[in-house]
Amino acid sequence: GEDVEQSLFLSVREGDSSVINCTYTDSSSTYLYWYKQEPGAGLQLLTYIFSNMDMKQDQRLTVLLNKKDKHLSLRIADTQTGDSAIYFCAESPNGNKLVFGAGTILRVKS
Amino acid sequence: DGGITQSPKYLFRKEGQNVTLSCEQNLNHDAMYWYRQDPGQGLRLIYYSQIVNDFQKGDIAEGYSVSREKKESFPLTVTSAQKNPTAFYLCASSTGRDQPQHFGDGTRLSIL
Repeated sequence: GEDVEQSLFLSVREGDSSVINCTYTDSSSTYLYWYKQEPGAGLQLLTYIFSNMDMKQDQRLTVLLNKKDKHLSLRIADTQTGDSAIYFCAESPNGNKLVFGAGTILRVKS
Repeated sequence: DGGITQSPKYLFRKEGQNVTLSCEQNLNHDAMYWYRQDPGQGLRLIYYSQIVNDFQKGDIAEGYSVSREKKESFPLTVTSAQKNPTAFYLCASSTGRDQPQHFGDGTRLSIL
């Protein structure tokens, strides 16, 4: 079946690193995605990783993929107050739709 | 600037009324999607279209209808048959199947 699980809440201090974790069930996704949603707004595509890769780095963002354990993580270095948002992990099992987790609320304390 | 425009930002529906949500993109994307977001949940797919004049049901299509007469436009109608329409509706587009999807800013629909 299709299921994506995320922890609900993460609180960090400004300047620290944040790590948001996600597990998924379908191994056929070509890409796995991280989206950011600020209050009242749509989803912003943050980054995505090809399923054959283990790691992808994009400025302050590092994505790690463990295909064996079906585990995806997003690390945000030097977390800022502007990073406070909801972060969604998503897979695309049949290429036509995204299956989302319920989202992780990231709170950054100054 | 290229992007996806959803309108209106807020919409109110009376009982028994159909309402239409607009989604327009100028990214020259072939594929377009409609998702529904309920509080504290991820998004669920309502309908998608990979090409003009063709569309497919997603996981929660009951009570909704769409059309794809132009590449740029993919309007969603919430019919009176949708008994729980209060939600945040998000439109997305991509260059094609299995490609990253980009989202609009959403329309919040409420019941009067």
